[in-house]
Amino acid sequence: NAGVTQTPKFQVLKTGQSMTLQCAQDMNHNSMYWYRQDPGMGLRLIYYSASEGTTDKGEVPNGYNVSRLNKREFSLRLESAAPSQTSVYFCASIAGESYEQYFGPGTRLTVT
Amino acid sequence: GEDVEQSLFLSVREGDSSVINCTYTDSSSTYLYWYKQEPGAGLQLLTYIFSNMDMKQDQRLTVLLNKKDKHLSLRIADTQTGDSAIYFCAENPHGQNFVFGPGTRLSVLP
Repeated sequence: NAGVTQTPKFQVLKTGQSMTLQCAQDMNHNSMYWYRQDPGMGLRLIYYSASEGTTDKGEVPNGYNVSRLNKREFSLRLESAAPSQTSVYFCASIAGESYEQYFGPGTRLTVT
Repeated sequence: GEDVEQSLFLSVREGDSSVINCTYTDSSSTYLYWYKQEPGAGLQLLTYIFSNMDMKQDQRLTVLLNKKDKHLSLRIADTQTGDSAIYFCAENPHGQNFVFGPGTRLSVLP
């Protein structure tokens, strides 16, 4: 099992550019999440998907869109990147009734 | 609203015990969690405790939960240099929706 994988690992964008962050899990989990991590602020939830075909906003959804393409894949899109979106982005999926989260390695995004 | 608080830094000597503390606000959380993040990596689930338990022990890790004070702690016995990392406390007040603390950076001194 690869667990949760994310691509790319690093990305530099100019203000106004768009990009999609990819996430996939091979653990047959129903729920998947996108977080951003900023220094001293822990993780903040951007969007989550409780099951294939459903998505819900988290704490900081503005400027992002998501697609739950199938049970394995959950992508995060920045339509018009802004410097405030410079961050480390983590994808996660959840197992079992105890809601144990498994995280990907992260994508480090810089917007100039 | 929900809030999870932790002190940001902790330094201990190798071989000593480390105690990382966390306070949370929402008493409806079913589980409370501790995650570890090493440099350049994602978060790794260390342990979790069901909200109706007071204590959980897992090898060198001991989790204590005081529901009355909404206080959670993680004790690491015989702390090693490999334990240097950021430790996050998290709660799930709305089932699948999680709230994380800011993380405590643990430095282990030789």
